[in-house]
Amino acid sequence: EPEVTQTPSHQVTQMGQEVILRCVPISNHLYFYWYRQILGQKVEFLVSFYNNEISEKSEIFDDQFSVERPDGSNFTLKIRSTKLEDSAMYFCASSYTGAAANYGYTFGSGTRLTVV
Amino acid sequence: KNQVEQSPQSLIILEGKNCTLQCNYTVSPFSNLRWYKQDTGRGPVSLTIMTFSENTKSNGRYTATLDADTKQSSLHITASQLSDSASYICVVSSNGGATNKLIFGTGTLLAVQP
Repeated sequence: EPEVTQTPSHQVTQMGQEVILRCVPISNHLYFYWYRQILGQKVEFLVSFYNNEISEKSEIFDDQFSVERPDGSNFTLKIRSTKLEDSAMYFCASSYTGAAANYGYTFGSGTRLTVV
Repeated sequence: KNQVEQSPQSLIILEGKNCTLQCNYTVSPFSNLRWYKQDTGRGPVSLTIMTFSENTKSNGRYTATLDADTKQSSLHITASQLSDSASYICVVSSNGGATNKLIFGTGTLLAVQP
């Protein structure tokens, strides 16, 4: 069964450093997403990406965050200057159609980011 | 405000027993409701997806119900196994505007004991 692949599985970084989280979505999917889950809390939407541009973002997704699909297969989330409160599990997801359609929306296994 | 509430927060059952998890949502306009299973430290895995017109959907030992009038859903697990220990999350999608985001509940943490 096709999978969404995320790397690395764990990332430890110092406060103020830039990090790039990488994702390889399912190959025929058209919509790409990043979500995060702070330890003990619910999963929260960050951003959706379609047709090479951001289609929606939450209030969490401020100027420190950016997304890119650099080569047609990878989908990256960059945090420019990490803060302690950015420590969380970050999930990439992809879907063939938008979420309102009754199709699967597949999540990766996540990258655990720890900011020290 | 769009919200998804789940109960109970946590549940302990013995292997082989059945259980039912509850979900209430206030998402509008409603598009579909999904139940996900999330193992500790892993990504959510889809169990069922139901639209407005569907009352029930099964996936093996998992059966989800939806009452769109009362905005309630349940997930019933039959003959529980140790591997069912996980967080079960109710997730709602809205078709308002161009949104494609999913709205997650806080989950029910299920522990199945031998």
